[in-house]
Amino acid sequence: NAGVTQTPKFRVLKTGQSMTLLCAQDMNHEYMYWYRQDPGMGLRLIHYSVGEGTTAKGEVPDGYNVSRLKKQNFLLGLESAAPSQTSVYFCASTPTGRGYEQYFGPGTRLTVT
Amino acid sequence: GDSVTQMEGPVTLSEEAFLTINCTYTATGYPSLFWYVQYPGEGLQLLLKATKADDKGSNKGFEATYRKETTSFHLEKGSVQVSDSAVYFCALTDSGGSNYKLTFGKGTLLTVNP
Repeated sequence: NAGVTQTPKFRVLKTGQSMTLLCAQDMNHEYMYWYRQDPGMGLRLIHYSVGEGTTAKGEVPDGYNVSRLKKQNFLLGLESAAPSQTSVYFCASTPTGRGYEQYFGPGTRLTVT
Repeated sequence: GDSVTQMEGPVTLSEEAFLTINCTYTATGYPSLFWYVQYPGEGLQLLLKATKADDKGSNKGFEATYRKETTSFHLEKGSVQVSDSAVYFCALTDSGGSNYKLTFGKGTLLTVNP
């Protein structure tokens, strides 16, 4: 049981490049989330999903897109990366009815130059 | 909207010292309250929770009591260890009824020296 995994762990992009971050969970959780963590800002919710095929905007969705084609995977895309998107990105998941107990992945450190 | 305010860090203590990290919240309904911990290089883990007023959450020697009258959920530990060095986040649920979104405070970095 791997829990929540994230790929890649580190990435450096040039401004304007695109990339996709992959989050996978093997706990059969319904809900999944993408956060970004910046110094002094805590965690901010980017997008979330309450089930396969559904997504919704969080607090800071601009510049990101997501997809949840399979229950176990939640993809975060950056179509045209900007330096302001330099951050550590965390994925989390939670089972139905226990929305408070979110299980986090180890994070992806992204630098946009 | 809902919000969480934590004391700013960093907090530096010696081993066996008493720890308090203050947390207050603003919410329109009756949220559940949580403390998450992030050890260096890792994701967040749930440390403890309280789901209604006057509940006390506890885990690994840490405690926090849900105080509705003061809208607070302060984290305490009687004797900290070097292994407690981490970032601590106070959080609450979305009180709009969905119960699946968390609002986090900005985090408090704790360093415990031997």
